Amino acid sequence: DTGVSQDPRHKITKRGQNVTFRCDPISEHNRLYWYRQTLGQGPEFLTYFQNEAQLEKSRLLSDRFSAERPKGSFSTLEIQRTEQGDSAMYLCASSLWQGFKGYEQYFGPGTRLTVT
Amino acid sequence: AQKVTQAQTEISVVEKEDVTLDCVYETRDTTYYLFWYKQPPSGELVFLIRRNSFDEQNEISGRYSWNFQKSTSSFNFTITASQVVDSAVYFCALSESTGGGNKLTFGTGTQLKVEL
Repeated sequence: DTGVSQDPRHKITKRGQNVTFRCDPISEHNRLYWYRQTLGQGPEFLTYFQNEAQLEKSRLLSDRFSAERPKGSFSTLEIQRTEQGDSAMYLCASSLWQGFKGYEQYFGPGTRLTVT
Repeated sequence: AQKVTQAQTEISVVEKEDVTLDCVYETRDTTYYLFWYKQPPSGELVFLIRRNSFDEQNEISGRYSWNFQKSTSSFNFTITASQVVDSAVYFCALSESTGGGNKLTFGTGTQLKVEL
């Protein structure tokens, strides 16, 4: 059983460019979460999906950010017109949700974004 | 709003010492879940434990033990006979059961350094 995978692991981009990250969750997990972690801080929630439906977005997720989970499998997080403040580790997690009961989230290795 | 406080920013111990990491949480929900995650230098968050608010039994897993006290809103984590491999940042996290998709609210983490 493979864990959560993320691609790429590192991304360096120039301010103003668009970037897209991919997350592949654990296969039987129906919930997928995106978090952002800056240096010295804990991860902060950005958004989550249940199957293909995006059910909540944090206020942290500005209009430049968009996430998708087509077919309820992998997910992509796109940042348009990147800014230096977007530099962070972007973490993906997945979990199983069954019958109004949720289980622990398992995290991927993250994508470290550096905006120059 | 939910909040997690980890007042200890950094702890240094000598190998084989016992160490306790503190976690205090705030929530208005009566049903909630508490978690501990480990983030080694490689960066990937590793799930350690999940605790339900209605189960106040303490838990031991090898050298790890957790003390959940609802009366003081604390969920402390003790490592017995610490080892160098325990060096990492440890995060306490909280999720509420009512709405919010069980998203995690993390503390700022405690950096544990175990030296020989």
